[in-house]
Amino acid sequence: NAGVTQTPKFRVLKTGQSMTLLCAQDMNHEYMYWYRQDPGMGLRLIHYSVGEGTTAKGEVPDGYNVSRLKKQNFLLGLESAAPSQTSVYFCASERLRGDNEQFFGPGTRLTVL
Amino acid sequence: SQQGEEDPQALSIQEGENATMNCSYKTSINNLQWYRQNSGRGLVHLILIRSNEREKHSGRLRVTLDTSKKSSSLLITASRAADTASYFCATVPNAGNMLTFGGGTRLMVKP
Repeated sequence: NAGVTQTPKFRVLKTGQSMTLLCAQDMNHEYMYWYRQDPGMGLRLIHYSVGEGTTAKGEVPDGYNVSRLKKQNFLLGLESAAPSQTSVYFCASERLRGDNEQFFGPGTRLTVL
Repeated sequence: SQQGEEDPQALSIQEGENATMNCSYKTSINNLQWYRQNSGRGLVHLILIRSNEREKHSGRLRVTLDTSKKSSSLLITASRAADTASYFCATVPNAGNMLTFGGGTRLMVKP
């Protein structure tokens, strides 16, 4: 099992460009999450999904959109990137919401110039 | 907003010593979890302690929870250089199910 994978690992964007981050999990987990981590800080929840076809906003959703068309995939989109979105993005999945460990991907380091 | 706050923010010890990290939180919780993050990597779950538990062990890890003080501690005994990482506490509040992370403790274990 690969667990949780993320692509790409690194990306540099110019302000105003768009991109999509892909997260895939092979553990058949219902719940998936997108977080961002800024230097010296913990993770902040951007969006999450409680199942295929459903998404919801987290703590810092502005400037991001998500989609969960397939159970194993959770996509994070930036429509018009801003320097404030420079961060490391982590995807996670969970079997039972809030009551189990979350499994994290290796992260995507995004720089917006 | 951060539910949990770790203390200290950074800790440097010698190999073989014990490392203690503390976490304080603000609202009533369902459970509290500790995660480790090696440099440049994703987070790895270490241990989960529920609100009705006071202490839990896993190998060299010992976690305590004091719900009256809204605090938890993570003890790593006989530390190794490989324990060098950032450690985060995360809480699941009673109202809601979202995991909320603290800012982390950066632990350096010198060989």
